[in-house]
Amino acid sequence: KQEVTQIPAALSVPEGENLVLNCSFTDSAIYNLQWFRQDPGKGLTSLLLIQSSQREQTSGRLNASLDKSSGRSTLYIAASQPGDSATYLCAVKAGYALNFGKGTSLLVTP
Amino acid sequence: KAGVTQTPRYLIKTRGQQVTLSCSPISGHRSVSWYQQTPGQGLQFLFEYFSETQRNKGNFPGRFSGRQFSNSRSEMNVSTLELGDSALYLCASSFGRYDGELFFGEGSRLTVL
Repeated sequence: KQEVTQIPAALSVPEGENLVLNCSFTDSAIYNLQWFRQDPGKGLTSLLLIQSSQREQTSGRLNASLDKSSGRSTLYIAASQPGDSATYLCAVKAGYALNFGKGTSLLVTP
Repeated sequence: KAGVTQTPRYLIKTRGQQVTLSCSPISGHRSVSWYQQTPGQGLQFLFEYFSETQRNKGNFPGRFSGRQFSNSRSEMNVSTLELGDSALYLCASSFGRYDGELFFGEGSRLTVL
């Protein structure tokens, strides 16, 4: 059974800092990995999708990497802003369903 | 292009009642899946529908059911509600079944009293 772990569970940083969120998974036989953002009481917003054949994807200040062999992914956020405060979820697609981590709750303080 | 639309957004029910939630996927998306989100268990897979057929179901009791219509819209039903069914129910759609990007709706927040 695919297990997805996200570290840290919570993170507080001052505005302007670069930061890294970590995601690990136990089974490397995946189709893809997707990073989401969730604001309180809201649905999930897709940030980046990395197919199993890819090593990284970039969108604006976000960069996600994938190392299938080691079962790891990182989400890099450059020059963080208070508007980045949210819960970030990593999800792995190894079959018909996404397996989610518990998320990292990020607070960016002005 | 319109995103995934879920209705209703909020609802309150009492134990023993039943509830139906609706999901309209992004136009052109044929795969619809449902997830339950609770503080304790996080996000858990409920069902996957493709071409009006339930392809897979997660580890939930038979009280949880669903269907998909010919226009790809989907509904899920929970009968004989229990307190533990209180959760955010999220619907996601994608173009393909396996390697497509999933797009989620805002969810339906169910409270069971």
